[in-house]
Amino acid sequence: DAGITQSPRYKITETGRQVTLMCHQTWSHSYMFWYRQDLGHGLRLIYYSAAADITDKGEVPDGYVVSRSKTENFPLTLESATRSQTSVYFCASSPKGGEAFFGQGTRLTVV
Amino acid sequence: QKEVEQNSGPLSVPEGAIASLNCTYSDRVSQSFFWYRQYSGKSPELIMSIYSNGDKEDGRFTAQLNKASQYVSLLIRDSQPSDSATYLCAVRGSNYKLTFGKGTLLTVNP
Repeated sequence: DAGITQSPRYKITETGRQVTLMCHQTWSHSYMFWYRQDLGHGLRLIYYSAAADITDKGEVPDGYVVSRSKTENFPLTLESATRSQTSVYFCASSPKGGEAFFGQGTRLTVV
Repeated sequence: QKEVEQNSGPLSVPEGAIASLNCTYSDRVSQSFFWYRQYSGKSPELIMSIYSNGDKEDGRFTAQLNKASQYVSLLIRDSQPSDSATYLCAVRGSNYKLTFGKGTLLTVNP
């Protein structure tokens, strides 16, 4: 199906573990984004990507790593999860300059 | 200064009234402006985009953009209880980064 999908939808992990959140889009959009959403902070940009192999930091990149080897995939890795990274994570994609469309979100709990 | 600022609300209006949501941004060369609606527990959903100064209407929604004042607004006419949600303003800067405000919680009372 066309669209943007995130996996997993829910994840519980332990402090210090590495976690990867997946994002896949079928529109061939050039831009992809990762946000986290926390009460009182709204949507904060973690990383974004303009094309395959081009990524850039957003507002809150520390503790996160991204890659974009293919246009359609934009995984987000937490290298060593901390409790402060408990959040809802949203992936989005857009054509250059156009509207962004969001995935369903991943609710991550770090215990 | 935050790049995109919104009144956090909550904003409460009676059913049938006009709801007015406001947003200011700091990057003078921003190119694209969007309004998203987010229901509790759901992902943001695009409802309006605006790229040039003036008004843009789509059904009960009107987006207004004033680049000189760095201001964008959303009017919702004939508000319905189903419009109760958080409304997010988003701005696409010169580097194509998409930045969101914190959102305004709107409650429409029957």
